[in-house]
Amino acid sequence: EAQVTQNPRYLITVTGKKLTVTCSQNMNHEYMSWYRQDPGLGLRQIYYSMNVEATDKGDVPEGYKVSRKEKRNFPLILESPSPNQTSLYFCASSTSGETQYFGPGTRLLVL
Amino acid sequence: GIQVEQSPPDLILQEGANSTLRCNFSDSVNNLQWFHQNPWGQLINLFYIPSGTKQNGRLSATTVATERYSLLYISSSQTTDSGVYFCAVHRRRALTFGSGTRLQVQP
Repeated sequence: EAQVTQNPRYLITVTGKKLTVTCSQNMNHEYMSWYRQDPGLGLRQIYYSMNVEATDKGDVPEGYKVSRKEKRNFPLILESPSPNQTSLYFCASSTSGETQYFGPGTRLLVL
Repeated sequence: GIQVEQSPPDLILQEGANSTLRCNFSDSVNNLQWFHQNPWGQLINLFYIPSGTKQNGRLSATTVATERYSLLYISSSQTTDSGVYFCAVHRRRALTFGSGTRLQVQP
């Protein structure tokens, strides 16, 4: 089944404790990206990647890192999480310019 | 940047009713998608529709790119249609989302 998977789906952590949210797609898509969704602010792009070893900042990259060492994986790294990074996170993938497919989301609470 | 406006912001329907959701965008776009965010937070692709009309069961969508709007039609609504409907336009390397239409279908 063609899909985008994210792990974990739910995470509660404390300020400053490094964490990684994994994202994987099995559709051989070149393009992958991360979004966060917040009440009143909608969905905003954090980072995107056009292909392996090609990443770039989106609209709200501060406090996040990404890497794209393999085509199928695009992890999101929070080196020192803060409470303002409490959010619902989505990973997405697509063939460039075509339909974007979203993962199931990761709910993160930073205390 | 491009603005995406959706209307109405909220909609309550009785099961079996039909509805039309609208998405206006401020600039020409290459592509547009409609999503349904279910009560569990998952974003479900409904349509990829840069122009023209598409239908999928009880749902259909029309995009008139030259007039910068898209419509999503829901016919014979069911309680499982409840949630938030987003349109999103493709710009460069990202999607720009509208603020959504929150739909509640009552039995």
